[in-house]
Amino acid sequence: DGGITQSPKYLFRKEGQNVTLSCEQNLNHDAMYWYRQDPGQGLRLIYYSQIVNDFQKGDIAEGYSVSREKKESFPLTVTSAQKNPTAFYLCASSIFVRSGRTGRIGNTEAFFGQGTRLTVV
Amino acid sequence: QKEVEQDPGPLSVPEGAIVSLNCTYSNSAFQYFMWYRQYSRKGPELLMYTYSSGNKEDGRFTAQVDKSSKYISLFIRDSQPSDSATYLCAMKTSYDKVIFGPGTSLSVIP
Repeated sequence: DGGITQSPKYLFRKEGQNVTLSCEQNLNHDAMYWYRQDPGQGLRLIYYSQIVNDFQKGDIAEGYSVSREKKESFPLTVTSAQKNPTAFYLCASSIFVRSGRTGRIGNTEAFFGQGTRLTVV
Repeated sequence: QKEVEQDPGPLSVPEGAIVSLNCTYSNSAFQYFMWYRQYSRKGPELLMYTYSSGNKEDGRFTAQVDKSSKYISLFIRDSQPSDSATYLCAMKTSYDKVIFGPGTSLSVIP
């Protein structure tokens, strides 16, 4: 079945360690996103990538890094520089569509993985 | 003022009730409006996607958009215990990132 797979489901990190969260999609979607979700807050965008080998910072990119070497994969590394990494991390993807009338590109709604809960111990 | 505001709840209703979930927004450039349902410890799933003002119906769910008032709603008819979840509104301009509300927690009591 097509979808977005995040692993692991639960992850524990010691202070000062870097950890990498995996996100794989077989939907052939162009754009991929990483969001962070904290209690009582909306999803906040960490990084996004519209195409292979290209990515942009979102609203809260400090302390995080990403790569996009393949269309189907968009791993997120939480570095030791991230001061408050305990959160629920969500990966999403969407398709870019070109408007026939204007030629401009926009993306459709995002489809989400099941999340990774990261806890610092 | 936050771009998207949503009452966090929790909202508790009896089974069979009509549920009304609401969001307000400040950016008049938003053109696309979405509602997601998120079960505990799961990723959000898209419920409704609307573009224009007015109503869009899908089974027991109706999404309503009032662009003049910058207000969107999700109505759930004949609510079921399986509807118990957090509901996130989200919106975007034509070519920009999605902005999410904080979510409303809903419990439907049998």
